[in-house]
Amino acid sequence: EAQVTQNPRYLITVTGKKLTVTCSQNMNHEYMSWYRQDPGLGLRQIYYSMNVEVTDKGDVPEGYKVSRKEKRNFPLILESPSPNQTSLYFCASSLGREGLGNEQFFGPGTRLTVL
Amino acid sequence: LAKTTQPISMDSYEGQEVNITCSHNNIATNDYITWYQQFPSQGPRFIIQGYKTKVTNEVASLFIPADRKSSTLSLPRVSLSDTAVYYCLVGVLYSGNTPLVFGKGTRLSVIA
Repeated sequence: EAQVTQNPRYLITVTGKKLTVTCSQNMNHEYMSWYRQDPGLGLRQIYYSMNVEVTDKGDVPEGYKVSRKEKRNFPLILESPSPNQTSLYFCASSLGREGLGNEQFFGPGTRLTVL
Repeated sequence: LAKTTQPISMDSYEGQEVNITCSHNNIATNDYITWYQQFPSQGPRFIIQGYKTKVTNEVASLFIPADRKSSTLSLPRVSLSDTAVYYCLVGVLYSGNTPLVFGKGTRLSVIA
């Protein structure tokens, strides 16, 4: 089944404790992206990657890191989480090729709480 | 960066056609217009996308005027299960160095 998976689905942590949220897709997509969603603010893009070893900042990259060492994986790293990073996080992937528009496939989400 | 403006919320009765309009005055030549649907605590789901004129699939139609400064998502004969938030997204993934902006979406409530 074609899908985007995220782990963990739920995470409660404390300020300053480094964490990684994994994202993996099995569709051989070139484009991958991370979003956060907060009440009243809609979806905001954190980082995206056009291909392996190519990453770019989205709208709200502060406090986050990403890496794209393999095509299928795009982990989101919070080196020193703070309470304002409490949010619902979504990973997405897409073919990302010219002429194919913007269809993105989203993962189920990771609900992160930073105390 | 093409910014979008949508109504915050809409109500509709079951069986009616619903039209949600999105304004995007500074759309770029290469930008696509894409609509997503999101249910609570789930990831957004792609509905439809277009570049110009009209696009129709099994769930919706998308109308784009010649100037492309707005677009209208049309949902025929909505049901209770269409209650969700709908996002209009303008841009193109492959252009690189341009983040995509989803905006705040339109909350559609379908009433029996």
